Amino acid sequence: DIVMTQTPLSSPVTLGQPASISCRSSQSLVHSDGNTYLSWLQQRPGQPPRLLIYKISNHFPGVPDRFSGSGRGTDFTLTISRVEAEDVGVYYCMQATHVPYTFGQGTKLEIK
Amino acid sequence: EVQLVESGGDLVRPGRSLRLSCTGSGFTFGDYAMSWARQAPGKGLEWVGFIRKETYGGTAEYAASVEGRFFISRDDSESIAYLQMNGLKIEDTGVYYCRRGDAGDFWGQGTLVTVAS
Repeated sequence: DIVMTQTPLSSPVTLGQPASISCRSSQSLVHSDGNTYLSWLQQRPGQPPRLLIYKISNHFPGVPDRFSGSGRGTDFTLTISRVEAEDVGVYYCMQATHVPYTFGQGTKLEIK
Repeated sequence: EVQLVESGGDLVRPGRSLRLSCTGSGFTFGDYAMSWARQAPGKGLEWVGFIRKETYGGTAEYAASVEGRFFISRDDSESIAYLQMNGLKIEDTGVYYCRRGDAGDFWGQGTLVTVAS
C-alpha cells in the first residue's frame, strides 16, 4: 500500500501569514494515464471533509485562491498564502492513483 | 446542488451486520463511481472502497481491513449507493462518509456506526 506522510502534524500560524503542509508518498503517484491523483482536503471542526485541490494543483470550485497545491512524483505541498480564521482545521492529502487509495495522517492547523 | 445523504448508522454488537445507504441528488448518479471513507472517533480518515459506474463494469475495490466483510453496491435507478457491512468489529466504529467519484469530490455529512457489546 502507498504510505502518505504529512509534515508537520501540527502547525500553529499567525493570522495573515502563510502556511504550508508537505505530503510525501512512498511511491510515485503518476498514473499510467499520465495524471497524478493527489488531492488535498480540509476538515473544519465538527464538519465532514471537503475537497480543496485535486490532481496536485487544480482548485475545486468555490475554494479560495489563497489555497494552492504544487509538487510532482512523490513530494507535494499545500500552501495557504494568508491564513484566515476560517482555515482552522485538519488538512489531509490523499492519493487516488494506486488501489487501495490512502490518506495522510492529517495536519492540524491552528492559530497562534 | 450536489447532495449526498447517508443513513443507516446504528449501535450494533460485534459480529452483526449493518447496511448503510447513500442517496445522491443534484447530479446524474449513474455517471459517477461512488465511494466510502470512514473516520474513527478522534482519528484520521480511512479509505474504505469504491464502486465503478456501470459502464466501467460496476466492480468494486476495497481496503484490506474490510475486504471480504464489506460490500459496496449501487442502484442507479434510485440514485443510491450501499455499504453492506458484515462481521462487524469494534474497530469498525466511526463515522462513515459517502463520496462522489472514486477520488471523492463531494462528501456527505456522514453516519455514525458504533460496534460495541
